[in-house]
Amino acid sequence: DAGVTQSPTHLIKTRGQQVTLRCSPKSGHDTVSWYQQALGQGPQFIFQYYEEEERQRGNFPDRFSGHQFPNYSSELNVNALLLGDSALYLCASSFTSAASYNEQFFGPGTRLTVL
Amino acid sequence: GNSVTQMEGPVTLSEEAFLIINCTYTATGYPSLFWYVQYPGEGLQLLLKATKADDKGSNKGFEATYRKETTSFHLEKGSVQVSDSAVYFCALSDRSTGFQKLVFGTGTRLLVSP
Repeated sequence: DAGVTQSPTHLIKTRGQQVTLRCSPKSGHDTVSWYQQALGQGPQFIFQYYEEEERQRGNFPDRFSGHQFPNYSSELNVNALLLGDSALYLCASSFTSAASYNEQFFGPGTRLTVL
Repeated sequence: GNSVTQMEGPVTLSEEAFLIINCTYTATGYPSLFWYVQYPGEGLQLLLKATKADDKGSNKGFEATYRKETTSFHLEKGSVQVSDSAVYFCALSDRSTGFQKLVFGTGTRLLVSP
């Protein structure tokens, strides 16, 4: 059973460019969350997708957008890249239920460097 | 808003030493609490969790007890191994976000030498 997969592993872009990161959730999961982890920091919640819609959003500008496909995979898009967008981008998948906690399984991340 | 504060690292220990990594939180209501571990070059793995006050989460020799009175969730292990070297993150989620959004601390790096 494949876990959460992300592509690409590493990416180098220049300021002002646009980037798309991809995530495939763990089998059986229907919810995808994205986090940004700057060097030496904890992950920060960007947004979460469920039933192909953005369900929650963290404190990130509109330059960050996403999409979820019918097969539950997801993309994170960042426009007009800034140097400060350099980070490890983590995708986490889970299964939404009525439980008090739905465990999130994390992928290995995509390391984005903006020059 | 919700937040998590954990001790700064790195924490450097010899093999078989006792480990404690402090974590305190601020949250509205009654959050669920977690410890995640991140090994070099990998994503985060859930180490243990506790969903209500006085619960003790445990896994792989690690333990943490949900202390509502002190708003703490300290991570402990009686005897660390070299293979425990990693970055440890304390995190919470709460009902206000449907227990879906995780709020993380800044992480504590643990280095264990033989």
